[in-house]
Formats: sequence, C-alpha cells, structure tokens
Amino acid sequence: QKEVEQDPGPLSVPEGAIVSLNCTYSNSAFQYFMWYRQYSRKGPELLMYTYSSGNKEDGRFTAQVDKSSKYISLFIRDSQPSDSATYLCAMSGAEEGAQKLVFGQGTRLTINP
Amino acid sequence: GAGVSQTPSNKVTEKGKYVELRCDPISGHTALYWYRQSLGQGPEFLIYFQGTGAADDSGLPNDRFFAVRPEGSVSTLKIQRTERGDSAVYLCASSITREETQYFGPGTRLLVL
Repeated sequence: QKEVEQDPGPLSVPEGAIVSLNCTYSNSAFQYFMWYRQYSRKGPELLMYTYSSGNKEDGRFTAQVDKSSKYISLFIRDSQPSDSATYLCAMSGAEEGAQKLVFGQGTRLTINP
Repeated sequence: GAGVSQTPSNKVTEKGKYVELRCDPISGHTALYWYRQSLGQGPEFLIYFQGTGAADDSGLPNDRFFAVRPEGSVSTLKIQRTERGDSAVYLCASSITREETQYFGPGTRLLVL
C-alpha cells in the first residue's frame, strides 16, 4: 500500500461546478500538506500549503486537512476551463530528514465549457 | 524573478549510455531536491541537498544514479549505464530553507531507447 493514495480520475465536470479532490495517507508523522497543479508538460505549481489540521481558503480554492482521519481535500469553486490540469497532493513530516515530499498519483481534471 | 530552470528539456539516449541532467535553482535557495515522475504517476523523491552536501539520498534507486552540487547552487544528476526503465521526467525543486515551500522546474524528459 502506498503512503499516499489519490484517485487518478479522470474527472470531468461542467464549467462553474464545485470540484472536490481528495487524498488519504497512512503516515501519521506527516505535518505539512500541499496541493500542486500540473499542466501538461510542465512542472508542478504550488496551489495551497497547510500545516497540521484545519481549513485554508485562497480565492476559489479551499484546502482541508483532517489528521484524525488521515484525509485531505481540495475544493475548487466556480471551476473554469483554465483549471483543467492534473492535481497532485503532497505531504511531508516535520522532523529532521523528513523534508522530502511524498506525492499522490495525481487526479486529472477537465472542466468543460 | 527567474524560477528553477532545467536543461536539457528533452534528452533521448540509447540503452547503456551515460547522461547528465542539470538544475539551476532559484537564486538564494539553499535546499535543492530531485524527483522522478513516471507517466501517470506523482513525482517520487530521489535526493535532497542542503548547501553542497547530500542530506538525504534515500530515494536514489541504485548506484547508477548520482548527483552533485559542488558550489551549493547548480546541481547535476548523473545516470550511468541507462536502462529503458529510467525513462521518465526528472524534476528539480528548490526552497529557501528545508522548511519552506518547494518550487519546481519544468523537468527534463528522458527517453532511453
């Protein structure tokens, strides 16, 4: 079993819909949680960064972390065609030597005009 | 400002050959990371540098892979006796310090024939 599980999709929704993306993980040492967006043939771009549990909102994007359930989510409101990309969850620990990011498989998202 | 740059953007080589992949991190970033991303998968950690030293090389798959960062800035990932299974996108990321956000470059797409 992988440390981080993410449904690869693909996920296709109409423009304006609310999108929910999720990851589960098994390592209780993870403290930092991130969502990256990756367009085709580009490097991952950081969208959201959260430390420990709780919610964080940035414009149309909301990240949620539930450490008790080992479950993180990214919500996209009023989705746009430009949001079409692969979304990767990533996480890391806080202790020395735990700086490496552990990624999910990525969910391929298409927003249809 | 300039982001992380990687050269070459694409590399095609033959099985058994030696390749070098270069990463120029964001100026002033002391931490540098290499990841490998296979098709349809999330990036997987290879090695992490803090300054000139490799602080964590636990992700290198075998002794054919080696990386250096002699002056604490540019890094080179070296692969000896390439195999077809080495074909992937090699991503470099940098951060100001090990605790801070990792910014990714566009990657080098390696194809071993």
